[in-house]
Amino acid sequence: DTEVTQTPKHLVMGMTNKKSLKCEQHMGHRAMYWYKQKAKKPPELMFVYSYEKLSINESVPSRFSPECPNSSLLNLHLHALQPEDSALYLCASSRGGLAGLSYNEQFFGPGTRLTVL
Amino acid sequence: AQKITQTQPGMFVQEKEAVTLDCTYDTSDQSYGLFWYKQPSSGEMIFLIYQGSYDEQNATEGRYSLNFQKARKSANLVISASQLGDSAMYFCAMREGRGYSTLTFGKGTMLLVSP
Repeated sequence: DTEVTQTPKHLVMGMTNKKSLKCEQHMGHRAMYWYKQKAKKPPELMFVYSYEKLSINESVPSRFSPECPNSSLLNLHLHALQPEDSALYLCASSRGGLAGLSYNEQFFGPGTRLTVL
Repeated sequence: AQKITQTQPGMFVQEKEAVTLDCTYDTSDQSYGLFWYKQPSSGEMIFLIYQGSYDEQNATEGRYSLNFQKARKSANLVISASQLGDSAMYFCAMREGRGYSTLTFGKGTMLLVSP
């Protein structure tokens, strides 16, 4: 299984809602990532988990709260988002953790398209 | 300064022709890796090819090859025999240092393949 899955595919939420994005991989990867991507822009790294511990937080606002319940699962909890948070949210995973193999390709999921009204 | 530069916002190519997408990078690390990803309109980032800084041979994966010129700090992607399904955004990315997996992406090149 070389797949990273993300649910839901699309999400529309109001600014007062609480929702969660889910990401799953069964490749035995030990690093997992959240990216935010605006239209026609490259992905921007948000968070990195390595061996289920938060290793990198790229100064992301606290209305985004990541969680890694186990080595296969990564969640992104959303609360009190702003319209400018509307974007494609991509999850990725790689072998070996953050300080692992020198060749450490990231496998991406299909993303969740988030619209904040 | 940008670490990854893709100077072509858009490229057009006819089906069955070859196309080169440019990528230059900037790093002072001796050990680094260069990646190319394809992103169709559906949104998924698809890994295409990887080149390590110590690899002497240019990487190839099927119709994709990476023209790695270390002295010039360039890592251009060559797609041979373009297909309609190759129409997508293409991102060049770099991992710096040994082992760290965080990637720095270029701004991307939109490739359109016409019949």
